[in-house]
Amino acid sequence: NAGVTQTPKFRVLKTGQSMTLLCAQDMNHEYMYWYRQDPGMGLRLIHYSVGEGTTAKGEVPDGYNVSRLKKQNFLLGLESAAPSQTSVYFCASSYDLRGTDTQYFGPGTRLTVL
Amino acid sequence: RKEVEQDPGPFNVPEGATVAFNCTYSNSASQSFFWYRQDCRKEPKLLMSVYSSGNEDGRFTAQLNRASQYISLLIRDSKLSDSATYLCVVNNRMEYGNKLVFGAGTILRVKS
Repeated sequence: NAGVTQTPKFRVLKTGQSMTLLCAQDMNHEYMYWYRQDPGMGLRLIHYSVGEGTTAKGEVPDGYNVSRLKKQNFLLGLESAAPSQTSVYFCASSYDLRGTDTQYFGPGTRLTVL
Repeated sequence: RKEVEQDPGPFNVPEGATVAFNCTYSNSASQSFFWYRQDCRKEPKLLMSVYSSGNEDGRFTAQLNRASQYISLLIRDSKLSDSATYLCVVNNRMEYGNKLVFGAGTILRVKS
């Protein structure tokens, strides 16, 4: 099993450009999450999904959109990138949403917005 | 105030030392608690869950004090390979299900 994979691993954007980050998991997990991690701060939840076709806002959703068209994939979109979105983005998945189950993380995407 | 607060460190300790990390959380309704480990430029990975009765996994011992809203992690006989950032994590309710709230992490450096 590959677990959770993310593409791309690195990306540099100019202000105003758009891009999509792809997360894929092969563990048949129902729940998937997008986080961002900034220096001196903990991981913050951007959006999450409780199943195929459903998404919900997390702690810091502004400037991002998500889609979960297939159970194994969770896409994070930036429509008009801003320097404040420079961060490391992690995708995670878990078997259940109770929070007692382990969340498995992907390797991360390092995004720089100039 | 951050929901989960940790001393950022770094804690610089020699091999074989015992080191303890502390964490406080602000939401008294938090339901479950964890320590995650994150190596430099890598993803977080679950180290252990934390239970009210305390729990041990080899050289690692975790404690929870719900009354004081305080979580601790003790590492005995530190190894070079223990060098990492340790993230304190609590589980809180959100609109759909629960969410994990991460502390900013405590840096541990074990030196020979």
